[in-house]
Amino acid sequence: KQEVTQIPAALSVPEGENLVLNCSFTDSAIYNLQWFRQDPGKGLTSLLLIQSSQREQTSGRLNASLDKSSGRSTLYIAASQPGDSATYLCAVNQGGKLIFGQGTELSVKP
Amino acid sequence: SQTIHQWPATLVQPVGSPLSLECTVEGTSNPNLYWYRQAAGRGLQLLFYSVGIGQISSEVPQNLSASRPQDRQFILSSKKLLLSDSGFYLCAWSVLGMGMAFFGQGTRLTVV
Repeated sequence: KQEVTQIPAALSVPEGENLVLNCSFTDSAIYNLQWFRQDPGKGLTSLLLIQSSQREQTSGRLNASLDKSSGRSTLYIAASQPGDSATYLCAVNQGGKLIFGQGTELSVKP
Repeated sequence: SQTIHQWPATLVQPVGSPLSLECTVEGTSNPNLYWYRQAAGRGLQLLFYSVGIGQISSEVPQNLSASRPQDRQFILSSKKLLLSDSGFYLCAWSVLGMGMAFFGQGTRLTVV
């Protein structure tokens, strides 16, 4: 059974700092991996999608990497801003179904 | 462009009452559709997914059911709500289940 784990559960950093969020999964037979952002009480916003054949994807200040063989993905956020404060969720797509981690709650202090 | 609509945004229902949450997608055809539930402080749990009209797969045994009467419409229902049905319900879609998934804004359900 696929299990997705995100570390740390919560993270607080000062504005301007670069940071890395971690995601690990137990079964490497995945279609892709997706990172989402969730603001309190809101739905999920898609950030990046990495296909199983890809190593990384970039969008603006965000860079996501995937090492499928080791079951790991990282989300790198450069020059963090208070507006980046949210919960970040990773999900692996296995058989067309997304399996989520518990999320990392990020707080960026001004 | 594709959009997903989910309503209502919040709902307070008494125990034993029925439930109907609706989700519609615009701008795409034959999407895979999903219902997730997010309990307080927990991750998202997949409840149902559908690859086509009338085709529903249930992931966990529960008090809920889902239907897909039209290509871009997905409905989550219950005949009698339980307290444990409280949570944040999210609808999502993706192309063929392999592309990027997009989520609605969610429905906060409180059963009292």
